[in-house]
Amino acid sequence: AQSVAQPEDQVNVAEGNPLTVKCTYSVSGNPYLFWYVQYPNRGLQFLLKYITGDNLVKGSYGFEAEFNKSQTSFHLKKPSALVSDSALYFCAVRDRGNNRLAFGKGNQVVVIP
Amino acid sequence: GAVVSQHPSRVICKSGTSVKIECRSLDFQATTMFWYRQFPKQSLMLMATSNEGSKATYEQGVEKDKFLINHASLTLSTLTVTSAHPEDSSFYICSALPGTSGGADTQYFGPGTRLTVL
Repeated sequence: AQSVAQPEDQVNVAEGNPLTVKCTYSVSGNPYLFWYVQYPNRGLQFLLKYITGDNLVKGSYGFEAEFNKSQTSFHLKKPSALVSDSALYFCAVRDRGNNRLAFGKGNQVVVIP
Repeated sequence: GAVVSQHPSRVICKSGTSVKIECRSLDFQATTMFWYRQFPKQSLMLMATSNEGSKATYEQGVEKDKFLINHASLTLSTLTVTSAHPEDSSFYICSALPGTSGGADTQYFGPGTRLTVL
C-alpha cells in the first residue's frame, strides 16, 4: 500500500525567505505525486503534480517540487515566501494501479512578516 | 475549470437525525468521486469511493449503513449520515476525478462541509 511521510509538524519561515516542505513516499510501482494546500475551514486546492517527465515540476502561486526517485522524495519549494502562503500543506501519492490517494499528515506553514 | 462544490457548507443537527451532503462537479463529468473525513489538525481519511451507477466502495472500518453514498449522475454524489451522533461531528470533504473512461490523474476537492451533531 502507498504511504506518505511529512516529517515536520510545522514550518516557520520569514517572509521573503525560501520555503521548503518535505515529503517522502512509499509505493510499489511508479508514483503519481501531488501537493495540495488547505486554508482554514476550506477544502484542498491543487498546487502541482508529478506524473512523468521532467523531475522539476512548476505549479500554482510560484511553487515547485522536485521528484527524486532515488530518495523517494517530492519536496515542495518556493523561492520567496509570502504571508499569504501560511496554510496547511498536504503531500499525496497514488499508485498507478488505482485511483486512491494516500495523504501525509500535513505540514502547517507559518510565514512570519 | 475543475470546480467542485459541496452543500451545505455547515450544518448543525440533533442526535438521531440524518444529514445529506451533496458534492457536485460544476464544469466536468466524474465517474468517480471520493468522500473523506478530516478531524481537527489531522490528515484526510478516505471513507469511500463513489462510482456513478454502481455501489460505493467503503474503506475498512467505515459503516456503509451509516454513511450512505449515492452517485446518481456524472456530476452529483451524495453522502447521507444516518442517525447522526456527536462522534460523527467532523469536516467532510469530497473530491472528483474528471472523466468518464478512466485515465484522469488529479482529484479536485470540494470546499468541505462542517457537521456538528448536538
